Formats: sequence, structure tokens, C-alpha cells
Amino acid sequence: AQSVTQPDIHITVSEGASLELRCNYSYGATPYLFWYVQSPGQGLQLLLKYFSGDTLVQGIKGFEAEFKRSQSSFNLRKPSVHWSDAAEYFCAVGAAVSSYKLIFGSGTRLLVRP
Amino acid sequence: GAGVSQSPSNKVTEKGKDVELRCDPISGHTALYWYRQSLGQGLEFLIYFQGNSAPDKSGLPSDRFSAERTGGSVSTLTIQRTQQEDSAVYLCASSPLVGVTEAFFGQGTRLTVV
Repeated sequence: AQSVTQPDIHITVSEGASLELRCNYSYGATPYLFWYVQSPGQGLQLLLKYFSGDTLVQGIKGFEAEFKRSQSSFNLRKPSVHWSDAAEYFCAVGAAVSSYKLIFGSGTRLLVRP
Repeated sequence: GAGVSQSPSNKVTEKGKDVELRCDPISGHTALYWYRQSLGQGLEFLIYFQGNSAPDKSGLPSDRFSAERTGGSVSTLTIQRTQQEDSAVYLCASSPLVGVTEAFFGQGTRLTVV
């Protein structure tokens, strides 16, 4: 069965600084990977996804993520954080066999210092 | 509709009562998920309806929880004999096809058991 670990519960960065949120997955085959963002009082919005091909994927709001099979990781990055990026970020993995359910990590809360 | 619609948005119930939570997926979407998000926690997978195949119920925490999806559209999550630990936000999501693809989330139903 697939699983996702987001080792950082909270991360605080200054506005304008770069950001990297970590995600490690466990799955025996090629995973399908997603990053979602949940702003306060809002639903979950898809930032980006990886299915195959180029291991560096671009998403909305200036985010990108890199799939590294050797490290079982799919870290989310942004070169310059804006105050509006403060939110909860969830990594998710989908399996391509049996059930296609998405399994989510526990989330990382991003705080942005002015 | 334009998005996934969940009702009610908030529900307060007494311990021991049964509750029903409703989800209207995006029109034409064949896959539907239910997740539970407890305070400060990630998304806990509950159940996945995958078209005409048998649903994946592996995430339901106890036999007090059940869900159905009528006519391949609307879904109802039922919690019988509610307990205080059932208090959480229940999120519904739908996907346009059965297979690994992105899920579109509703705003959730906040359930409080008193």
C-alpha cells in the first residue's frame, strides 16, 4: 500500500525567501504524485502533479516540484515566497493498481514572516 | 454544478445520534472520494467510489461508518451512533475518470459531536 510522509509540521520563511517543502512516499511501482494547498477556510486546490516524463514539473502560483525516484521524494519548491502563500500544503500519492485512491500526507503548515 | 458541493456546511449533533453528510460531485465525474480531516491533522482516506467497480472501503474506521453513491452521482456518508472522536471536517472529492488523476474537493462539512 502507498504512504506519504511530510516530515515538517511547520515551516516559517521570510517573504521573498526561497521555500522547499519535503515529501517522501512509499510505493512499490511508479507513483502518481500531487501537491495540494489549503488556505484558511478554503478547500484544497491542486498545485501540480507528476504522472510521468520530465521529473521537474511546474505548477500554479510559481511552484515547482521535482520527482526523485532514488530518494522516493517529491519536494515542492518556490524561489520567492509571497505572504499569500501562507497555508497548509499536502503531498499525495496515487497508485495505478487495484484501487486508484489518493493517499495524503499529514501536511506542512507554512508561515510567512513579513 | 461548477464544483463539488457538500451539505450541510456545518452540523452539530448529540453523541449517539446518526448523521448523514451529502456530496454532489462535479457533473460527469465518475470517481468520488470521502476524506476526514481532524483538527490539525492531514486527510484520512475513508472510501473511494470507482465507477461501476466495488468501492474501496478500506479507510472506514468502524462499522458505524457507511457510504453509498446512488446512480453514479450523489453520495451520502452516514455515521451511526456518533462519538465525540467523530468530530472533524469531512471532505468529498470527485475525479473525472476512474484512474489516477487529480481530485477536485468540496468545501467540506464540519461535524461537531457534543
